[in-house]
Amino acid sequence: EDQVTQSPEALRLQEGESSSLNCSYTVSGLRGLFWYRQDPGKGPEFLFTLYSAGEEKEKERLKATLTKKESFLHITAPKPEDSATYLCAVQGGYNFNKFYFGSGTKLNVKP
Amino acid sequence: EAQVTQNPRYLITVTGKKLTVTCSQNMNHEYMSWYRQDPGLGLRQIYYSMNVEVTDKGDVPEGYKVSRKEKRNFPLILESPSPNQTSLYFCATRDRLNYGYTFGSGTRLTVV
Repeated sequence: EDQVTQSPEALRLQEGESSSLNCSYTVSGLRGLFWYRQDPGKGPEFLFTLYSAGEEKEKERLKATLTKKESFLHITAPKPEDSATYLCAVQGGYNFNKFYFGSGTKLNVKP
Repeated sequence: EAQVTQNPRYLITVTGKKLTVTCSQNMNHEYMSWYRQDPGLGLRQIYYSMNVEVTDKGDVPEGYKVSRKEKRNFPLILESPSPNQTSLYFCATRDRLNYGYTFGSGTRLTVV
């Protein structure tokens, strides 16, 4: 069964304290792995797409990496405005129209 | 400006009263999808559409209908809503190049 698991569920950091969020997946024939940011009361906002193991993408303080079984979202020197829920999704399996989302990691960055 | 517009943003209704949540996009995207988001369960796909008149079930289609008569519009229909359909709903679109979805702002539905 295709599945996406994110950990931790919640993460509290001090401003400037770097950390990583994890997204592990069991999907046959991965076509793409996506990271989103979601602020309260809003729709998810697209951050990155990763297609193959070893690939990395960066945007400001965020860096996403991908292995064959998991992806990491590294947050370097976070600021309070990075506080949000971060969602991971995979596109794969035999039906590339299906996307499977994890439950998210709620990040709180304290000043 | 690229947009996915959902209406209404908030809706409270009673069990059994048919309702429609509208979704419109101005990006000329072929793919559109509906998701519901529930605490602890994440985003779950209800229906998706690959083009006009082409739709298919996602993971939780029971109790929902969709139609795609025009490329820009993809309404979600609840023929007889029940309390277990109380949720936050998102419409999303993407183009054929496998880029990530662009999501609407969401519709918070409460069925009493």
